[in-house]
Amino acid sequence: GEDVEQSLFLSVREGDSSVINCTYTDSSSTYLYWYKQEPGAGLQLLTYIFSNMDMKQDQRLTVLLNKKDKHLSLRIADTQTGDSAIYFCAERFDSNYQLIWGAGTKLIIKP
Amino acid sequence: DTGVSQNPRHKITKRGQNVTFRCDPISEHNRLYWYRQTLGQGPEFLTYFQNEAQLEKSRLLSDRFSAERPKGSFSTLEIQRTEQGDSAMYLCASSLDGTEETQYFGPGTRLLVL
Repeated sequence: GEDVEQSLFLSVREGDSSVINCTYTDSSSTYLYWYKQEPGAGLQLLTYIFSNMDMKQDQRLTVLLNKKDKHLSLRIADTQTGDSAIYFCAERFDSNYQLIWGAGTKLIIKP
Repeated sequence: DTGVSQNPRHKITKRGQNVTFRCDPISEHNRLYWYRQTLGQGPEFLTYFQNEAQLEKSRLLSDRFSAERPKGSFSTLEIQRTEQGDSAMYLCASSLDGTEETQYFGPGTRLLVL
């Protein structure tokens, strides 16, 4: 089936690291993405990783990919209140370029 | 603003009416996608175009849904005989053909069918 799984909620304290996890289904997906959606706003691309990579770092964001387990994670260092949003992971099916999405993880920041 | 734009941003209609949404992609992007997002869910792929050719439409939700991209630039998504279950956010994205293929999203059109 085409299911991308994510936890629905994550609560962290301001200043701590947030780790959002995702499992995907298609081992042949070449690209995996993380998007951010704030209330009333569109989907904003945060980062992506190519399937032949294990890790990608971009400022406060670190993406880890475990192809064997089909597991993707997004770590946000020094989480700030502005990071409050819903985070979606998505895998790309190369046959028709469609993105298959998880249901999103709502990141809640505690002061 | 050179991002993806969508119009209208909101649409309220009565059940049974037809609605049409427009998407203007980033100007140099040759691929255009339509998704639907309901509350608490991730986007659901509907269809995509490469230039003016609609290369995937099997995911359109029913024959009441149709999309066009007549000149390979803007696209329209039409829903005929709307039903209450069509209420959702309709998202458009565009990308440039290439290895990276990152899809950039518009702000969406929120449809409410009464």
